[in-house]
Amino acid sequence: DQQVKQNSPSLSVQEGRISILNCDYTNSMFDYFLWYKKYPAEGPTFLISISSIKDKNEDGRFTVFLNKSAKHLSLHIVPSQPGDSAVYFCAATPTQGGSEKLVFGKGTKLTVNP
Amino acid sequence: NAGVMQNPRHLVRRRGQEARLRCSPMKGHSHVYWYRQLPEEGLKFMVYLQKENIIDESGMPKERFSAEFPKEGPSILRIQQVVRGDSAAYFCASSQYRDRAREQYFGPGTRLTVT
Repeated sequence: DQQVKQNSPSLSVQEGRISILNCDYTNSMFDYFLWYKKYPAEGPTFLISISSIKDKNEDGRFTVFLNKSAKHLSLHIVPSQPGDSAVYFCAATPTQGGSEKLVFGKGTKLTVNP
Repeated sequence: NAGVMQNPRHLVRRRGQEARLRCSPMKGHSHVYWYRQLPEEGLKFMVYLQKENIIDESGMPKERFSAEFPKEGPSILRIQQVVRGDSAAYFCASSQYRDRAREQYFGPGTRLTVT
C-alpha cells in the first residue's frame, strides 16, 4: 500500500520554463512534507519542506504548495536549469505520536533541456 | 567533509554470503536511519537506531537482517545469507535529535549486488 505517490515517473521541460512535480498522499497522520533531489550514485539531498500548518513555502527558485483537503503537494521550479536534472522524491512523515520516519514516493525523473 | 559516510560504496556478494554495510553519521549526530531502495522504487525505511539502542525496526525484514549502532564506531547493517532480491542501494541517514527524521542527512549509499 503506497502512502506517498508520485504518478509521473518522468518529466521533461525546456530550460527557463517552469517544472511542476506532483505528489499525493493517503495517510491523514502525515503533517510534514519534504522534497529531496537525487543524482545518480549519490544520496538524496534535502531541497525544501512544508509543515501542514502552511500551504506554501518558497526558497529561491523552489516553491512547494500543499493542499491538505486534496492530500496533494507540488514542487515548482522556476526557472528550470539543466543542473536541476535529477530524480525528485517526495517524502512525508507524521510529527506527532512517536517515532518519525520518512515515507517516500517512487520519484520523478526531471530532465531540463538546454 | 563532515557528512554522512558509508562504506563500501559498492559491494558484490554471492548468494549465501554475508554483507556488512557501514555508516558513520555526521559529527555530533547520534541517530541513524537505514533505508533500502530497490530498482525503480523509492527509499523504504528499514530501521532507526540511537547509540546502543534500536528505536524502531518496523521496516526490517524479520529474517537475515540486523542492525546495530555501538557506543563507539559506525552503525552496521548486516545481511546474512544474501539472496538476489537483496540487490539494492542501501542508504543511511543521520540526525542530531531523537525523532527528527525531517532533519536527517543522507549518505551516498552502498550498492549491493548479489550474484
